[in-house]
Amino acid sequence: GAVVSQHPSRVICKSGTSVKIECRSLDFQATTMFWYRQFPKQSLMLMATSNEGSKATYEQGVEKDKFLINHASLTLSTLTVTSAHPEDSSFYICSASPGTGKETQYFGPGTRLLVL
Amino acid sequence: AQKVTQAQTEISVVEKEDVTLDCVYETRDTTYYLFWYKQPPSGELVFLIRRNSFDEQNEISGRYSWNFQKSTSSFNFTITASQVVDSAVYFCALSGLYTGRRALTFGSGTRLQVQP
Repeated sequence: GAVVSQHPSRVICKSGTSVKIECRSLDFQATTMFWYRQFPKQSLMLMATSNEGSKATYEQGVEKDKFLINHASLTLSTLTVTSAHPEDSSFYICSASPGTGKETQYFGPGTRLLVL
Repeated sequence: AQKVTQAQTEISVVEKEDVTLDCVYETRDTTYYLFWYKQPPSGELVFLIRRNSFDEQNEISGRYSWNFQKSTSSFNFTITASQVVDSAVYFCALSGLYTGRRALTFGSGTRLQVQP
């Protein structure tokens, strides 16, 4: 099946710093990528939808200036958490869709962010 | 709006017991997809099944089976002869096709513990 990678898998940073998370589709072109966030013992919540070559669409309550998303190519989307704070500590998961109409999304392995 | 409800927060069974995880959904889409994912402690989502709203046939895959009842908006998941390795959090999810909401809406998840 299709493979989606995320890097890094785990990151610890100091409060106030920025962290970039990469999501790559390894063997298919992803016209759309999605970013989800999962707090401990909670469900996955959509943060934003990223379409290649256009601005991301953010869900209500997600600050677009804090969570910068770039989808510059058909195989790469990045999420940058700017000026991270402890409350941003979470599990961030991306998914990619080839947009072939089959509506299958392929999930990355996730990135655990801990902000001290 | 889309909504997925997994009323069972946590289920504990003894190995070899059968267990059914409930999922009820709401959507305005006439065409939609339903999914089940398994999330082991590592955090990575494991895809189990995708079902098109037009296909109400029940499906069996090894010890796993799914019962899709469109009349009651339910998509329940049964594990037969459960094993310790089945212990994980299971998520039911929904995506709509024609409303443009291709991102997944997840239920709150059911934590399954299979005791030896």
